[in-house]
Amino acid sequence: GQQVMQIPQYQHVQEGEDFTTYCNSSTTLSNIQWYKQRPGGHPVFLIQLVKSGEVKKQKRLTFQFGEAKKNSSLHITATQTTDVGTYFCAGDNQNFQGAQKLVFGQGTRLTINP
Amino acid sequence: GAVVSQHPSWVICKSGTSVKIECRSLDFQATTMFWYRQFPKQSLMLMATSNEGSKATYEQGVEKDKFLINHASLTLSTLTVTSAHPEDSSFYICSAPKEGLTSPLHFGNGTRLTVT
Repeated sequence: GQQVMQIPQYQHVQEGEDFTTYCNSSTTLSNIQWYKQRPGGHPVFLIQLVKSGEVKKQKRLTFQFGEAKKNSSLHITATQTTDVGTYFCAGDNQNFQGAQKLVFGQGTRLTINP
Repeated sequence: GAVVSQHPSWVICKSGTSVKIECRSLDFQATTMFWYRQFPKQSLMLMATSNEGSKATYEQGVEKDKFLINHASLTLSTLTVTSAHPEDSSFYICSAPKEGLTSPLHFGNGTRLTVT
């Protein structure tokens, strides 16, 4: 079945440093979504990428979708303590009925030293 | 504010008993809801897709008789963990797409189940 691999599993940075997490799918995706889960909380949607080669920015966060629509990355510039949490990518390989079926990556847990 | 409400937030039960978890869409109708399970510091594993008015679709390896799903209305899906055992202890989270079947998911706050 479809697999979504995400690396690294953990990342610890000093506040102000940059952070990147990478996501690779075993199959071509219709779209990829990114979620953030704070410690003790539930996943919260960040962004959805649909087009091949798409790049989207949200303030200090930059999201990319690969040309082959099989990989993606999330880059955070100048991390802040509020960025702490686990970042999940989720690949959507829509079934024949058009309904989405998200497969989540393992997540990258970001901790920050203030 | 929250668009998906999940209840209870946490529950402790004895081995052999059953536990029902409710998931409600607050300001939209959800024909489809998804139930996930998450072990500590691990990813979200899709257990089943709940479909309003029809049978749920279970992922491979998930026992449908153990994890009963009912989606009787457009705003409510329930997951019942039957004859719970300690290995069922986990974080269960429901989610639903708000703007159509292919739109991003809104998650409930999750239910932490501890079976003693």
